[in-house]
Amino acid sequence: GQQVMQIPQYQHVQEGEDFTTYCNSSTTLSNIQWYKQRPGGHPVFLIQLVKSGEVKKQKRLTFQFGEAKKNSSLHITATQTTDVGTYFCAGNTGKLIFGQGTTLQVKP
Amino acid sequence: DGGITQSPKYLFRKEGQNVTLSCEQNLNHDAMYWYRQDPGQGLRLIYYSQIVNDFQKGDIAEGYSVSREKKESFPLTVTSAQKNPTAFYLCASRNFGPGPSYNEQFFGPGTRLTVL
Repeated sequence: GQQVMQIPQYQHVQEGEDFTTYCNSSTTLSNIQWYKQRPGGHPVFLIQLVKSGEVKKQKRLTFQFGEAKKNSSLHITATQTTDVGTYFCAGNTGKLIFGQGTTLQVKP
Repeated sequence: DGGITQSPKYLFRKEGQNVTLSCEQNLNHDAMYWYRQDPGQGLRLIYYSQIVNDFQKGDIAEGYSVSREKKESFPLTVTSAQKNPTAFYLCASRNFGPGPSYNEQFFGPGTRLTVL
């Protein structure tokens, strides 16, 4: 069936280092969404990418959607302890399919 | 203050008992969803509803049932047929209309169910 794979599953970084999580879909997506879930919390919508090759920025976060609309990435520059949590991508093929998430831990 | 509420936050049940998790939204969204989250895994779709009195099975519907009698409410029943019900359950709603939150899923705070 349709799948969205996300890597890595876990990432530990020193505060100030960069972080990237990647999503790959087995099928072409109409759009892709990113969510953040803080420890003990619920997923919160970050952004939606729709166009092929689209790049969007939110302060230190940069989101990219691949040219073939099958992959996406989230890059955080100079991580802070407030970035801790699990980041999920969700590909839209008519229904949202969530990746397994990348859990980010930041050492102060 | 608009949003999605789920209650209770923590729920304990004995094996073999049915249990119903509530989900209420006042965002006027047509679509509502139930997900299950297990440690180290993503969100798996249990059931969804795009309109009142209609709902569809998701990827892991076995052992669960839902109803959608009102636009605001989408309760989930975890039946005794669900073999491994202990999990974190998340309800969400989605707006298909125009506006800045188009297509965004809004999640409730979740219910952590433990079956003893």
